[in-house]
Amino acid sequence: EPEVTQTPSHQVTQMGQEVILRCVPISNHLYFYWYRQILGQKVEFLVSFYNNEISEKSEIFDDQFSVERPDGSNFTLKIRSTKLEDSAMYFCASSAPSGIYNEQFFGPGTRLTVL
Amino acid sequence: AQKITQTQPGMFVQEKEAVTLDCTYDTSDPSYGLFWYKQPSSGEMIFLIYQGSYDQQNATEGRYSLNFQKARKSANLVISASQLGDSAMYFCAMREGDKIIFGKGTRLHILP
Repeated sequence: EPEVTQTPSHQVTQMGQEVILRCVPISNHLYFYWYRQILGQKVEFLVSFYNNEISEKSEIFDDQFSVERPDGSNFTLKIRSTKLEDSAMYFCASSAPSGIYNEQFFGPGTRLTVL
Repeated sequence: AQKITQTQPGMFVQEKEAVTLDCTYDTSDPSYGLFWYKQPSSGEMIFLIYQGSYDQQNATEGRYSLNFQKARKSANLVISASQLGDSAMYFCAMREGDKIIFGKGTRLHILP
């Protein structure tokens, strides 16, 4: 069964460093998403991406964040200068043609720890 | 205002019993979708079940069923014959535009 994959599973970085979280969505999906979950809290939407551009983003997704689909398979989230409060689990998700009835398939997550 | 409300932060249930996890939602859109996800201690998000606002019947997937009461805006998850492996965090969620909005979750503990 096709699945979303994410690398690395755990990333530790120093405050102020740049990190890139990588995702490989399901191959025939067209919509891509990033969510984050701070430890013990609910999952929060960050950004959605379609047709090589951001379609929606949350207040959390400020200028420190960017997303890219550098090739036909990868979808990346970059945090330019990490802060302590960026420590969280980051989930990538993808879906087939968007719409109310299309579920989003989540990857296993990358746990980011900022020291 | 919260869009998804899960009022049970934690629940303890005896193995083999049925369990109902509560969820209420708020939306003014006539067309929407509701989801339940399971998050075990390993952290991944596992899709369990989906209910569309126009679906005539309650969704079922194996031991999972969704008790959808549209007028009350509730979408409770029912797990029949609970198993030890059901111990996890459960999130109710709603599709809004391109994004999914999650509730705060219910931590379910299945007791042997």
